[in-house]
Amino acid sequence: DQQVKQNSPSLSVQEGRISILNCDYTNSMFDYFLWYKKYPAEGPTFLISISSIKDKNEDGRFTVFLNKSAKHLSLHIVPSQPGDSAVYFCAAPGGYNKLIFGAGTRLAVHP
Amino acid sequence: EAGVAQSPRYKIIEKRQSVAFWCNPISGHATLYWYQQILGQGPKLLIQFQNNGVVDDSQLPKDRFSAERLKGVDSTLKIQPAKLEDSAVYLCASSSPGGGPSGANVLTFGAGSRLTVL
Repeated sequence: DQQVKQNSPSLSVQEGRISILNCDYTNSMFDYFLWYKKYPAEGPTFLISISSIKDKNEDGRFTVFLNKSAKHLSLHIVPSQPGDSAVYFCAAPGGYNKLIFGAGTRLAVHP
Repeated sequence: EAGVAQSPRYKIIEKRQSVAFWCNPISGHATLYWYQQILGQGPKLLIQFQNNGVVDDSQLPKDRFSAERLKGVDSTLKIQPAKLEDSAVYLCASSSPGGGPSGANVLTFGAGSRLTVL
């Protein structure tokens, strides 16, 4: 039962361009969503979140958009930098304060 | 503040052997989680503690996995006997529920313990 899905295993983007990472969910009752970033040999680190009552949240180069009717959220990175190369996970609350994670999308930003 | 500490970082064992992983959460975080991340997949919750009590262990293979949280602080995850499919990164996380933006529960993860079962 995959409540949070990331259907693109990988994404390659040129430095300076926009990166768009997508996430779909099935449970319309989720209160918020989070994006985590993971570098090799490190644990995931929190990047940005969005409340279900909003449709956009922005933090510097990172913007998350939420489309509740489509049960879809996306993370936009503008402009993309080589240091953004990592695996990005979307996550949603699974009850009792736990998080459910998608499978992740590996972003490669090349010069 | 100090982050979530985990050890060992890497462990290689033969199948049917046992292994133990240790986690020290962020000071003051009441909730502690163990996640399993298999290559190419997202982290999957194994067990969740609130202080020293178990909140959710529904995905923990209890015939071989066990975990405890000593005095509501440190935690140990044990696998005995290990199987090939247990090869994964074991991530420990802690949180102070509702302490994130807009009340989101933000988990802080350790660097993980990578297990290889041969």
